[in-house]
Amino acid sequence: KNQVEQSPQSLIILEGKNCTLQCNYTVSPFSNLRWYKQDTGRGPVSLTIMTFSENTKSNGRYTATLDADTKQSSLHITASQLSDSASYICVVSGIDQAGTALIFGKGTTLSVSS
Amino acid sequence: EAQVTQNPRYLITVTGKKLTVTCSQNMNHEYMSWYRQDPGLGLRQIYYSMNVEVTDKGDVPEGYKVSRKEKRNFPLILESPSPNQTSLYFCASSLYQLPNTEAFFGQGTRLTVV
Repeated sequence: KNQVEQSPQSLIILEGKNCTLQCNYTVSPFSNLRWYKQDTGRGPVSLTIMTFSENTKSNGRYTATLDADTKQSSLHITASQLSDSASYICVVSGIDQAGTALIFGKGTTLSVSS
Repeated sequence: EAQVTQNPRYLITVTGKKLTVTCSQNMNHEYMSWYRQDPGLGLRQIYYSMNVEVTDKGDVPEGYKVSRKEKRNFPLILESPSPNQTSLYFCASSLYQLPNTEAFFGQGTRLTVV
């Protein structure tokens, strides 16, 4: 069964600190993996997309890694800011009987405090 | 500005009273979909549409209807809402249902059925 598991479920850090969010998936065949940021009460917005051949991709203070062999991805946030407080959702594209499918993780809720 | 617009943002209704949540995109995207988001469950797909007059069920379609008469609009219809449909709903669109295309999400509609 195609699944995406994220950890931790929630995280509280101090402003300025770094943190790493994890995503493990069992989606096969794998097409790509996206990290979305969802601010409270708003729709998700894409941060990065990674395909099978990519190991690392950065978007400002956000760096995503992908290990296609172990089926793991991480999102590292450097020098956190209060505005980083949000839910981060890992979404993996795979193929099912209906065609391309997006499999969503349940998200990690990050709270950055001053 | 490229966007997906949902209306209303907030809705409180009574059990059994038919309602429609509208979704409109201005990016000429073929693919549109509806999701509901519940605490601890993440985003789950309700229905999707690959083009005008082409719709199909997602993972949790029971109790919902959709239509796609025009490319830009994809309304979600609840013929007889029930309290278990209380949720946060998101409409999304993308150019195609291809792995590398980004999904753009609306701002969300918070529905409460009493």
